[in-house]
Amino acid sequence: GENVEQHPSTLSVQEGDSAVIKCTYSDSASNYFPWYKQELGKRPQLIIDIRSNVGEKKDQRIAVTLNKTAKHFSLHITETQPEDSAVYFCAASKKGGSSNTGKLIFGQGTTLQVKP
Amino acid sequence: KAGVTQTPRYLIKTRGQQVTLSCSPISGHRSVSWYQQTPGQGLQFLFEYFSETQRNKGNFPGRFSGRQFSNSRSEMNVSTLELGDSALYLCASSLAGQPGYGYTFGSGTRLTVV
Repeated sequence: GENVEQHPSTLSVQEGDSAVIKCTYSDSASNYFPWYKQELGKRPQLIIDIRSNVGEKKDQRIAVTLNKTAKHFSLHITETQPEDSAVYFCAASKKGGSSNTGKLIFGQGTTLQVKP
Repeated sequence: KAGVTQTPRYLIKTRGQQVTLSCSPISGHRSVSWYQQTPGQGLQFLFEYFSETQRNKGNFPGRFSGRQFSNSRSEMNVSTLELGDSALYLCASSLAGQPGYGYTFGSGTRLTVV
């Protein structure tokens, strides 16, 4: 079935260091991979996404890479800041049959702590 | 531009009761998806509606149902509530519900079943 594995479950880094979160998906038909940041008590917010026809995408300090062959994608945060502390979720979605689907399969989340 | 609005923000219900949650998508968005978030199970897909039709359904019992109105607003209903239904229920709206069109989440409804 559809599954997304996310690692690590917790990650602690010093301010200024880089953080990497990795996800693996099971359904080879998946073609859209968003990343969400959820601060305590708040809604998940889309921070970056990538489609299957692209190998890498960057937005300032955040980048996402996709390896379709290995079915895994990663989030890279450089020059981390205390305000980056949050839970990060990866997700995968696919076009389903004759109609498109709005179903996101989420990873279990990574709690990132950036120590000042 | 207003975001995704969910009401109410908090609910306390008794086991066996039923509950209805509401979601108003971003103006112009036609796809509304619902998710259940719990500490143990994470974010799990409930169902998706597009143009008043349920287009996709997750692995939840029939006690969980939903609908979408002509103005794209959506409601989800949970009947015969169980303690395990306590969770944050999130809805997300998208322009077309297609991969590549970002899904924007609402702030959620925190349901507590006692």
